Amino acid sequence: EAAVTQSPRNKVTVTGGNVTLSCRQTNSHNYMYWYRQDTGHGLRLIHYSYGAGNLQIGDVPDGYKATRTTQEDFFLLLELASPSQTSLYFCASRGQGASYEQYFGPGTRLTVL
Amino acid sequence: QQKVQQSPESLIVPEGGMASLNCTSSDRNVDYFWWYRQHSGKSPKMLMSIFSNGEKEEGRFTVHLNKASLHTSLHIRDSQPSDSALYLCAARAASSSSFSKLVFGQGTSLSVVP
Repeated sequence: EAAVTQSPRNKVTVTGGNVTLSCRQTNSHNYMYWYRQDTGHGLRLIHYSYGAGNLQIGDVPDGYKATRTTQEDFFLLLELASPSQTSLYFCASRGQGASYEQYFGPGTRLTVL
Repeated sequence: QQKVQQSPESLIVPEGGMASLNCTSSDRNVDYFWWYRQHSGKSPKMLMSIFSNGEKEEGRFTVHLNKASLHTSLHIRDSQPSDSALYLCAARAASSSSFSKLVFGQGTSLSVVP
């Protein structure tokens, strides 16, 4: 099965702090995605990428930056964290196939105090 | 911005019963729907996808799609306690600017009680 890993799994920071969430996939997938999940909102897309060096803006990008350094690695950066960014963050990857299935990592729970 | 609405927000069905979940998109350009299942404390996993009008069945799970009304539904027959989970509907719009991304609904929380 496709493998997506995330680190850290849990993170606590203070308002105004810097946070970097990491995602790695070993599926040779081109597309990678960052979502946040909050009760009542399902999954909301923050940023996505279709290859190293590429970045596309998602639906809720404010306060977030992202960088895709290699085909395997996709990072989400919060430079001035705010309590509203307390959430569960998922990374996902998918290949080019018609099924379009996205494979999700285990998630990172971020708390901003 | 496209919205995907799911109903009901939560559903309780008895073991062995039928669960019916609904999903509608507001974007007339949507051409493909997915259903994902997320067990508590886990990540979402794809259950089924559908892009043609009609019905698709896989085991106890059946998905319907009506493209004219942009409505899809998921039906689980002979529901089991292991089916208790959050069910997420996702849609893709067939426009070049949004071709690569999905929009998810808020989810339906299903509880199957013995």
